[in-house]
Amino acid sequence: QVLLVQSGVEVKKPGASVRVSCKASGYPFSNHGITWVRQAPGQGLEWMGWISGDNGDTNYAQKFRGRVTMTTDTSTSTAYMDLRGLRSDDTARYFCARDRYYGSGSYSLDVWGQGTMVTVSS
Amino acid sequence: EIVLTQSPGTLSLSPGERASLSCRASQSVSSSYLAWYQQKPGQAPRLLFYAASGRATGIPDRFSGSGSGTDFTLTISRLEPEDFAVYYCQLFGNSPRFTFGPGTRVDIK
Repeated sequence: QVLLVQSGVEVKKPGASVRVSCKASGYPFSNHGITWVRQAPGQGLEWMGWISGDNGDTNYAQKFRGRVTMTTDTSTSTAYMDLRGLRSDDTARYFCARDRYYGSGSYSLDVWGQGTMVTVSS
Repeated sequence: EIVLTQSPGTLSLSPGERASLSCRASQSVSSSYLAWYQQKPGQAPRLLFYAASGRATGIPDRFSGSGSGTDFTLTISRLEPEDFAVYYCQLFGNSPRFTFGPGTRVDIK
């Protein structure tokens, strides 16, 4: 069974940093990238970035460049998302999801973590 | 950057009715790049379709995906109680890698 299990709730003060982890199981970690998506309360889905499970290549959304770092630890099949300089509008649920490639340029996010709620408040 | 628009914003229907959800891209895209997701309150999104019409594992056949160019449609032939949720379309691209539409909420009438 393919699973992505994320770390727990975080409460941070403005200006702080947060690290969210995403542990994969049930598949060869290096065969798939991991995408990070966030969802503010009552809002839609926002793509943050992607990291290769193979070589650590990354692709960040323009909005988060300079504030986000995505990494992997292939020895533990875990992906990490670090977000710095937290603001109140970073309050959201953060999801990791597995990239899947179907051929002919077709990608989707076929397995999702349960989400990690990050609250930024003074 | 290609923008996705979903309509309607909210669809109020009764169980057993047919639902038709639209996703429109601001310019023509390959249907290979279009996916649909369902999200229920408090849950992570669930993949419904990849490549516009490729049904994901475990998705009932009352769900269907179609479309090409700029216009894509998710159809639910007969709504079941568990289908009331928010539905998002998503586009794969170069930069950004993924773009989501704003979502359509399907409510019980």
